[in-house]
Amino acid sequence: QVQLQESGPGLVKPSETLSLTCTVSGGSISGYYWSWVRQPPGKGTEWIGNVYYDGSTNYNPSLNARVTISVDTSKNQFSLKLSSVNAADTAVYYCASGQREGLRWFDPWGQGTLVTVSS
Amino acid sequence: QSVLTQPPSVSGAPGQRVTISCTGSSSNIGAGYDVHWYKQLPGTAPKLLIYLTTSRPSGVPDRFSGSKSGTSASLAITGLQAGDEADYYCQSYDSSLSVYVFGTGTKVTVL
Repeated sequence: QVQLQESGPGLVKPSETLSLTCTVSGGSISGYYWSWVRQPPGKGTEWIGNVYYDGSTNYNPSLNARVTISVDTSKNQFSLKLSSVNAADTAVYYCASGQREGLRWFDPWGQGTLVTVSS
Repeated sequence: QSVLTQPPSVSGAPGQRVTISCTGSSSNIGAGYDVHWYKQLPGTAPKLLIYLTTSRPSGVPDRFSGSKSGTSASLAITGLQAGDEADYYCQSYDSSLSVYVFGTGTKVTVL
């Protein structure tokens, strides 16, 4: 079965760029939609954006200006870049899978990685 | 953006039935978009519990069921067990905001 694993720095300085990678194992990244979701401590769950295996993307309008999601089918990975971060971007970041025919629900999820924005 | 509202907490004794509501609007649940539900244990990732409003993934017991009416959806848990203690979230799509939206979350406590 497909498994996802996030990787990247756990600490990012304000105004810098947060970069995370999600490695997909147990299946091919091709043919599916892939997403990033975050949960700030004590706050609501927020969809960040998604990428199709062909590289096409959709982003949350509230983050659109700062977000880039890309895919590397040769490595079975997709990545998140969030620029100009501030304390409000501190959250547990999850990568998750959508479906072949579109993104409707998220399953499975990676274990999540806590990213703290602090100097 | 938590445009889907859930009660902060629900509780019940072992064996009882509890329901969790998820209230949306005419641009998400009321527009006909499916509702999905997740269970999240502390320190772990959300896990899919119900998809397409009423369907259960393989391995999820039939004690869990979903329904939808108008601009709201509900998750019912029957035969409540200690292992059901967790946070539960609904999720849908909002066409007005063009985002996938999650509920505010409900903590289920088994008394």
